[in-house]
Amino acid sequence: QSALTQPPSASGSPGQSVTISCTGTSSDVGGYNYVSWYQQYPGKAPKLMIYEVSKRPSGVPDRFSGSKSGNTASLTVSGLQAEDEADYYCSSYAGSNNFDVVFGGGTKLTVL
Amino acid sequence: EVQLVQSGAEVKQPGESLKISCKGSGYSFTSYWIAWVRQMPGKGLEWMGFIYPGDSDTRYSPSFQGQVAFSADKSISTAYLQWSSLKASDTAMYYCARRDGRAFDIWGQGTKVTVSS
Repeated sequence: QSALTQPPSASGSPGQSVTISCTGTSSDVGGYNYVSWYQQYPGKAPKLMIYEVSKRPSGVPDRFSGSKSGNTASLTVSGLQAEDEADYYCSSYAGSNNFDVVFGGGTKLTVL
Repeated sequence: EVQLVQSGAEVKQPGESLKISCKGSGYSFTSYWIAWVRQMPGKGLEWMGFIYPGDSDTRYSPSFQGQVAFSADKSISTAYLQWSSLKASDTAMYYCARRDGRAFDIWGQGTKVTVSS
């Protein structure tokens, strides 16, 4: 399966909102409500931020929200803070065999 | 605390074999699938496959089938990723992660593998 499509970069000023898109197909993003988002700081392991399109794990600020429309999922970060500057990856369940996973190419979020 | 702790960085020559580990603690290690994820230098995340430590059932991404092997020792709550003959293109950071539902909720700290002559 092909990687999901994310913009290479996104940016916003402190306090603003920024949305990162993640485009797939009807075989992955559009076919299932199993999109997740991960935050990764340089040299660190990824961290789960959103699962099942819009659910937040315990401890993730409610400034982070997820949504989906058709074959495109989105991560919105509201009230941007300097600490939100990181790489963000989307991921989706992608197969009928219950196991296939596909990641997006990643988006570098810069807080101006 | 629920955590996955991976083995340390490795430097190997092409053609050598390698086995890296991922030890789980703080939860029932045999009840969750463990994923392996590759991140090549400066690149994104790539799903390699899964192993279920409860019975060592394995599922490989087509991109990695035949290139690597997963195993697990449930008696010590440890999963393994191994190569029989490394290539320079295997140079990357490798992460293990716990699958909860369809998301990866716990990640290891990563193991850096460098393959160079």
